[in-house]
Amino acid sequence: EPEVTQTPSHQVTQMGQEVILRCVPISNHLYFYWYRQILGQKVEFLVSFYNNEISEKSEIFDDQFSVERPDGSNFTLKIRSTKLEDSAMYFCASKWDRGSGNTIYFGEGSWLTVV
Amino acid sequence: AQRVTQPEKLLSVFKGAPVELKCNYSYSGSPELFWYVQYSRQRLQLLLRHISRESIKGFTADLNKGETSFHLKKPFAQEEDSAMYYCALSGRGAGSYQLTFGKGTKLSVIP
Repeated sequence: EPEVTQTPSHQVTQMGQEVILRCVPISNHLYFYWYRQILGQKVEFLVSFYNNEISEKSEIFDDQFSVERPDGSNFTLKIRSTKLEDSAMYFCASKWDRGSGNTIYFGEGSWLTVV
Repeated sequence: AQRVTQPEKLLSVFKGAPVELKCNYSYSGSPELFWYVQYSRQRLQLLLRHISRESIKGFTADLNKGETSFHLKKPFAQEEDSAMYYCALSGRGAGSYQLTFGKGTKLSVIP
């Protein structure tokens, strides 16, 4: 079965540093997402991306965050200047079509620790 | 605003006992409800969704619009069911295709 893959699985970074989390969505999927889960809290939507642009974003996704699809396969989340409260598990996800009936497939997550 | 509530953080049951994981939602329109499962050290996986009305791994869930609930049930728990379970909602309509998750319930099946 095809999978969404994410790298790195775990990253430790100093406060104020830039971080890029990488994702390879399933190849024929059109919609891409980033979610995050702070330890002990629920999974929260950050942003959705379609046709090379952001289609929806949450309040969490402020100017410190950006997403990019630099080539035909990768989908990246950049945090410009990390804060302690950015420590979380970040999940990438993808879906074939916009309709809510299509399954969203998740990656295994990238655990970000900001120190 | 859409919201999903899972009142139990942890649910422990004995093997063979019935399981019910509670989920209530709040949404003004017509939502689509999902259950996702996360086994230890694995990714979030779709378990089932209300529109397909199917049973996966013995689990079922019925959407009750009157009670705004989508509880997950299984008549006889197995040890391999131990995992985190997340109820999620996707609203219908333009721009509403992202998922809103509940906080999750950790199911522990005692041998």
